[in-house]
Amino acid sequence: GIQVEQSPPDLILQEGANSTLRCNFSDSVNNLQWFHQNPWGQLINLFYIPSGTKQNGRLSATTVATERYSLLYISSSQTTDSGVYFCAGIQGAQKLVFGQGTRLTINP
Amino acid sequence: GAGVSQTPSNKVTEKGKYVELRCDPISGHTALYWYRQSLGQGPEFLIYFQGTGAADDSGLPNDRFFAVRPEGSVSTLKIQRTERGDSAVYLCASSPSGMGNEQYFGPGTRLTVT
Repeated sequence: GIQVEQSPPDLILQEGANSTLRCNFSDSVNNLQWFHQNPWGQLINLFYIPSGTKQNGRLSATTVATERYSLLYISSSQTTDSGVYFCAGIQGAQKLVFGQGTRLTINP
Repeated sequence: GAGVSQTPSNKVTEKGKYVELRCDPISGHTALYWYRQSLGQGPEFLIYFQGTGAADDSGLPNDRFFAVRPEGSVSTLKIQRTERGDSAVYLCASSPSGMGNEQYFGPGTRLTVT
């Protein structure tokens, strides 16, 4: 099955800073999702983005399917952005394969 | 509308006991998934239902784990003879049709086996 690698594993920033999180796939995927796991463990859907670019407020994501990677951009970070960010892809079968996550800490 | 719900939110049980975890998917979603998340890791797939049938159970770790979805809506994950290594957060997700659609997750059940 596919392998999903996320980088960096940890990221500590000051409020107001911008950040870029990366997700690499070992093989092509049919679909890709980005999630934010809040401190209570809830996985919140950020983007469903098999290819192209999407934006939602301060967040945007770009997936380059032919090169097997996706990027999540967070601009003007706020303390509430803290948490773990996961990307996950589907290849063939319907199960999501998750990366190990990026733990983002935004300090006031 | 209502999201995916899971009960209980927390379950503490003794080694060797039987537990059931319940998932209520988003209304109208035909696809339902169970995942397990250990501390510091990403969720890992357990089983996928399309309607009432288990379309893919390749992620179930052994025969102590079983899941059902008898009416194509609510699902129950059943674990027999629990072991301490089963301690994890069990997550349920649903999607409209399972054809690579976006998956939506419930809040999870935190299982602790003592």
